[in-house]
Amino acid sequence: AQSVTQLGSHVSVSEGALVLLRCNYSSSVPPYLFWYVQYPNQGLQLLLKYTTGATLVKGINGFEAEFKKSETSFHLTKPSAHMSDAAEYFCAVSDRETGGFKTIFGAGTRLFVKA
Amino acid sequence: NAGVTQTPKFQVLKTGQSMTLQCAQDMNHNSMYWYRQDPGMGLRLIYYSASEGTTDKGEVPNGYNVSRLNKREFSLRLESAAPSQTSVYFCASSEVQRARFNEQFFGPGTRLTVL
Repeated sequence: AQSVTQLGSHVSVSEGALVLLRCNYSSSVPPYLFWYVQYPNQGLQLLLKYTTGATLVKGINGFEAEFKKSETSFHLTKPSAHMSDAAEYFCAVSDRETGGFKTIFGAGTRLFVKA
Repeated sequence: NAGVTQTPKFQVLKTGQSMTLQCAQDMNHNSMYWYRQDPGMGLRLIYYSASEGTTDKGEVPNGYNVSRLNKREFSLRLESAAPSQTSVYFCASSEVQRARFNEQFFGPGTRLTVL
C-alpha cells in the first residue's frame, strides 16, 4: 500500500529565507506525486505535480520539488520565503494500484513566515 | 466557471440528527470525492465516485452514505450524527484516465460541529 510521510508538522522561516518542506513516500509502483497548498479557511490548491519525465518540477509561486527515486523523496523548496507563503502544505501520492482514483495525503506541514 | 461548490459552509448538529452535504462541479469531471480533514491527520477519503453511477468506500466510510446524483453532483449524508464526525468536509473532483495523473480540484469546505 502507498503512504506519505511529511517530516515536521510545523516549519518556521524568516522572510527571504529558504523554504524546505520534506516529504517521503512509499509505493510499489512508479508514483504520481503532488504538493497542494491550503490557505486559511479554503480548500486545497495544486502547487505542482510529478508524473513522468524531468525529476525537477516547477510549480506556482516560485515553488519547486525534486523527485528522488533512490531516496523515495519529493521535497518542496522555495529559494526566498514571502509572507504570503504562510499556509499549510500537503504532499500526496496518487494510488496507481487502483487506477489513480485514490490520492493519499500526508498529515500536512504548516509553514510560518516571520517578518 | 465556479469549479467545485459545496453547501452549506457551516453547520451545527445535535447528536443523532441527520443531514446531507451537497457538492457540485462544473468542469465535466468523471470522478468525485469526499474527504474529512482533522487536525494533524491530513485529509482522509470517506467515499469516492470514479464515474457516474458508481461509488466506493474510502478509508473512513463508517457513519456516512453517498449518492452520485448525476455527473455534476455528489452528496454526502450523515444518517445519525456523532461528535466524532465533527470535522471539515471537502468535496473534490478530477478527470481520471488510466495511466494519467489524478490532479484534484477542491471545494471550499463545510465546517460541521456535532454537539
